[in-house]
Amino acid sequence: EAGVTQSPTHLIKTRGQQATLRCSPISGHTSVYWYQQALGLGLQFLLWYDEGEERNRGNFPPRFSGRQFPNYSSELNVNALELEDSALYLCASSLYSARTGEFFGPGTRLTVL
Amino acid sequence: QKEVEQNSGPLSVPEGAIASLNCTYSDRGSQSFFWYRQYSGKSPELIMSIYSNGDKEDGRFTAQLNKASQYVSLLIRDSQPSDSATYLCAVNTRRSGGYQKVTFGIGTKLQVIP
Repeated sequence: EAGVTQSPTHLIKTRGQQATLRCSPISGHTSVYWYQQALGLGLQFLLWYDEGEERNRGNFPPRFSGRQFPNYSSELNVNALELEDSALYLCASSLYSARTGEFFGPGTRLTVL
Repeated sequence: QKEVEQNSGPLSVPEGAIASLNCTYSDRGSQSFFWYRQYSGKSPELIMSIYSNGDKEDGRFTAQLNKASQYVSLLIRDSQPSDSATYLCAVNTRRSGGYQKVTFGIGTKLQVIP
C-alpha cells in the first residue's frame, strides 16, 4: 500500500511569490492535516481537511490556505511568501477524523530567498 | 505556559536501559495523546496512541497517561542505538461543533549510547 506522498520534495521561491504544495493521502483516508516544521519551533498545526471541507486551522495568517479535492488529495497554498515561511511542510492523513494524522508524508522543504 | 511541554534533551541512556520521556499539557479537555518518533531528516512516525488513564504497552514501548496530573509519558525498554531519535508528544483536543486542535511538543532528543 502506498503511503502519503507529497510534491515537490524541494521548492525554492523568492519573497512575495506564491507556493503550492501537494499531498496525496493513503488510499481510503479522508482526513488530511498540514503542519509546518520550522527549525527550533517544532511541528505547528496548519490546516485540517476532512471529507473535502476545511475543519480547522492553526494560528497562521490567511495567506496560508488550501483545499481538499474529491479524491481527498490536498493542496496547500502560501501567498506573499516571507522569509520566515522557510520550513518543512508535512502532510499527514488519517482514516478517522479524531486523530492527529497518523501517517506522515516525506514533506516539502520550502526555501524562501 | 506552553500548551504541550517536553524537555528538548538530549536524554542519554546506555544501551539496554529504560528511556523515560515525559510530556505535560495544559488543556484539561484534551482527549487523545500520541507519541511520534522522528529520525533526523525524516518525517514523524506514529509509535503509540493513548486515550484513557493508565498504561498501554506495545512491544518495548509503554505509554502512560495521567489526566489528573495532565501528564503523559513514554517508556522504552531495552533501549537500542536505533531508538536514537527525537520523540514528539502530540495532544488532540476536540470541542463541540467539530472543533479540533492538534498541538505538538518541541520533542525530546534521545541518544542511546552503545
